[in-house]
Amino acid sequence: KAGVTQTPRYLIKTRGQQVTLSCSPISGHRSVSWYQQTPGQGLQFLFEYFSETQRNKGNFPGRFSGRQFSNSRSEMNVSTLELGDSALYLCASSLVSGTQYFGPGTRLTVL
Amino acid sequence: AQTVTQSQPEMSVQEAETVTLSCTYDTSESNYYLFWYKQPPSRQMILVIRQEAYKQQNATENRFSVNFQKAAKSFSLKISDSQLGDTAMYFCAFMLPEGGGATNKLIFGTGTLLAVQP
Repeated sequence: KAGVTQTPRYLIKTRGQQVTLSCSPISGHRSVSWYQQTPGQGLQFLFEYFSETQRNKGNFPGRFSGRQFSNSRSEMNVSTLELGDSALYLCASSLVSGTQYFGPGTRLTVL
Repeated sequence: AQTVTQSQPEMSVQEAETVTLSCTYDTSESNYYLFWYKQPPSRQMILVIRQEAYKQQNATENRFSVNFQKAAKSFSLKISDSQLGDTAMYFCAFMLPEGGGATNKLIFGTGTLLAVQP
């Protein structure tokens, strides 16, 4: 089976812009979780989607949003980018719950 | 709230030797999952091993094994016969099961950077 894929792999944006990141889970996996990884804050949970519904949300401002499509693919959107949003954004998928398998990540740089 | 603590920011081991990475966690729940993930320089997060809290037997995956002490809330990872390819950041993570109020929400420790020396 193909693993979790994320696009794009690298992004450079400027402050105030918005960005959309995409994640395709492993075939058959219905849950997609998103994490932000920064040197200062480490790995932090953003949100989790299952069957197109957000089940859990981390402690991030409303500028961070996401959605999941009927084929389980997920997107996350960050509006009004700030310098502090520069990070590696990781997506992970799992069947329903349990072990999560990660994608390669999207490296976002905000200038 | 659950927390995960990794007290060793960096460790070094010689090739073919054995190394143990430490992890402690805090929770009031009795049923949960614990994981070790590795993140090599490529930044791809790779599952190393998983442990269910209700299982007393320690999980093992080839050269990787854990020492799970539920009462002490300790979950250490032992790597035997260390190889150069084991060089990576290792993260300990905690997760509640489905219906536990935080389904599929991994709580990570700060990581241990392991360097395997030739």
